[in-house]
Amino acid sequence: DSGVTQTPKHLITATGQRVTLRCSPRSGDLSVYWYQQSLDQGLQFLIQYYNGEERAKGNILERFSAQQFPDLHSELNLSSLELGDSALYFCASSDPPDGRGASSTDTQYFGPGTRLTVL
Amino acid sequence: GESVGLHLPTLSVQEGDNSIINCAYSNSASDYFIWYKQESGKGPQFIIDIRSNMDKRQGQRVTVLLNKTVKHLSLQIAATQPGDSAVYFCAERRSYIPTFGRGTSLIVHP
Repeated sequence: DSGVTQTPKHLITATGQRVTLRCSPRSGDLSVYWYQQSLDQGLQFLIQYYNGEERAKGNILERFSAQQFPDLHSELNLSSLELGDSALYFCASSDPPDGRGASSTDTQYFGPGTRLTVL
Repeated sequence: GESVGLHLPTLSVQEGDNSIINCAYSNSASDYFIWYKQESGKGPQFIIDIRSNMDKRQGQRVTVLLNKTVKHLSLQIAATQPGDSAVYFCAERRSYIPTFGRGTSLIVHP
């Protein structure tokens, strides 16, 4: 158990819908990362938050957005869902940062993931 | 383009053998590399990391080698066990953004 929790574990929805995925980082970790894992694209970095602020952006679609709340939990919002959005979505948190919003070692602890199925 | 890739999608070994998983990268600006293990139905799990100013780092039964000349990274697992069966990813970090390779599936036969 990594200490990172994600809910829900599974989510089935229809095209055009909007869903919210939730992540709670390990106690003490200020950085949260979101990833998408699909069979054809592998593990793709989406976005990173540090202490409530966006710090790095990867291959995140405009239909997707995220935020980190004062209690440090994070939510990933996926809207206008398409069949191709079906994937595993992982959240990770990292060691206490070096003051620049990134862990000096970047040891990330991953949650169990949310499996999203868009029908 | 810049990429992180793996040479072999599947590696099969016998229990007790040593395993070597390889990874090529093309971005010479990457300063940090990580190996992750992902078991079926679980999230990736950190195994070992190495900074670009090192060429070797050892952990418990695992060793990571970094060859910056040919931009090559490898993970060596000693005395491979059935519990090591999983997908292994290498990742590089540049400007705090991680990029993951596709993964190699390690299958350990008892």
